[in-house]
Amino acid sequence: GAGVSQSPRYKVAKRGQDVALRCDPISGHVSLFWYQQALGQGPEFLTYFQNEAQLDKSGLPSDRFFAERPEGSVSTLKIQRTQQEDSAVYLCASSHVSDGRGPLFGPGTRLTVL
Amino acid sequence: RKEVEQDPGPFNVPEGATVAFNCTYSNSASQSFFWYRQDCRKEPKLLMSVYSSGNEDGRFTAQLNRASQYISLLIRDSKLSDSATYLCVVNRGTASKLTFGTGTRLQVTL
Repeated sequence: GAGVSQSPRYKVAKRGQDVALRCDPISGHVSLFWYQQALGQGPEFLTYFQNEAQLDKSGLPSDRFFAERPEGSVSTLKIQRTQQEDSAVYLCASSHVSDGRGPLFGPGTRLTVL
Repeated sequence: RKEVEQDPGPFNVPEGATVAFNCTYSNSASQSFFWYRQDCRKEPKLLMSVYSSGNEDGRFTAQLNRASQYISLLIRDSKLSDSATYLCVVNRGTASKLTFGTGTRLQVTL
């Protein structure tokens, strides 16, 4: 496809369940970002990849959050033992490294933890 | 202090009005600046980059003041379709994270 895609678009999990969120960046985009957006707030940075290297994971809120991009394209954000406060929209964005324009975002995955 | 600060609004303006938003950033090492637009329950979409000399795209004008560490967005001749949340975004470099403000909500009315 032409844009960033994410799946699933909606996920309902019971507290304590593990979830995996997938991001397919734009083909050829080296940089990949994950953001978390709570209702009424701006997106908050979680982690950043350049190809398969995770260069910055300073935004991951706890060790229950884990992200990978093993082959430098598709990325997965995993949340273990989900808590209610994890409920948010998880946004993925990608860009060329040298692209002076801002990254392009996917539609997000809306996670609700009951 | 938040790294990027915006007035949350809402700004309620009539169609055809001119409206301006400001945004301040705290990190003087910031290199790239953007405005994104976000519609309700949608992803942020890039509106425009902000260049040091200022830049214009149709009805939209962006300005950067590095000395005072603020960015502005001016919208002329507002349309109903401009109603959205406008996010100010700052980047410390091409290989680093974007930092978003909380957004300014604009409502354009008839």
